[in-house]
Amino acid sequence: KQEVTQIPAALSVPEGENLVLNCSFTDSAIYNLQWFRQDPGKGLTSLLLIQSSQREQTSGRLNASLDKSSGRSTLYIAASQPGDSATYLCAVNTDKLIFGTGTRLQVFP
Amino acid sequence: NAGVTQTPKFRVLKTGQSMTLLCAQDMNHEYMYWYRQDPGMGLRLIHYSVGEGTTAKGEVPDGYNVSRLKKQNFLLGLESAAPSQTSVYFCASSYGDSQIYGYTFGSGTRLTVV
Repeated sequence: KQEVTQIPAALSVPEGENLVLNCSFTDSAIYNLQWFRQDPGKGLTSLLLIQSSQREQTSGRLNASLDKSSGRSTLYIAASQPGDSATYLCAVNTDKLIFGTGTRLQVFP
Repeated sequence: NAGVTQTPKFRVLKTGQSMTLLCAQDMNHEYMYWYRQDPGMGLRLIHYSVGEGTTAKGEVPDGYNVSRLKKQNFLLGLESAAPSQTSVYFCASSYGDSQIYGYTFGSGTRLTVV
């Protein structure tokens, strides 16, 4: 059974820091991996989608990497801002989307 | 560019009452999904559909029914609501080949059963 784990569960950092959020999964037979952002009381916003054949994807200050063989993905956030405060979810696609429980990020000025 | 729209956004039900949550997408997606999100449990798949007229059970289907009569709509029904169904419900959709394309989510329905 596929299990997705995100570490840390919560993170609080000062503005300007570079961050790494971790996601691990137990079964490497995935089609792709997607990172989402969720603001309190809101829905999920897709940030990055990495296909199983890809190693990384970039969007602005965000960079996501994927090492399928080791069952790991990282989301790198450069020069963090207070507006980045949210919960970040990773999800692996194995014909169904399996979610981790998220990392709650707070960036303070 | 509405994407995935869920109605209602909030609802309070009494135990035993019934209701239907509506999900509508305007992206011509084949696949649609219903998830529930609970604290500490993450998002769990309730039911899904791979095309008009089809439905299938997900991880936590008990107590729910679904219908996909039109391609753009996916309905989630609670026939006799229970307090354990208090949750935030999310609908999502994807192209037929979700192996390549990602998922698009709605903004959620917050349901409280008292």
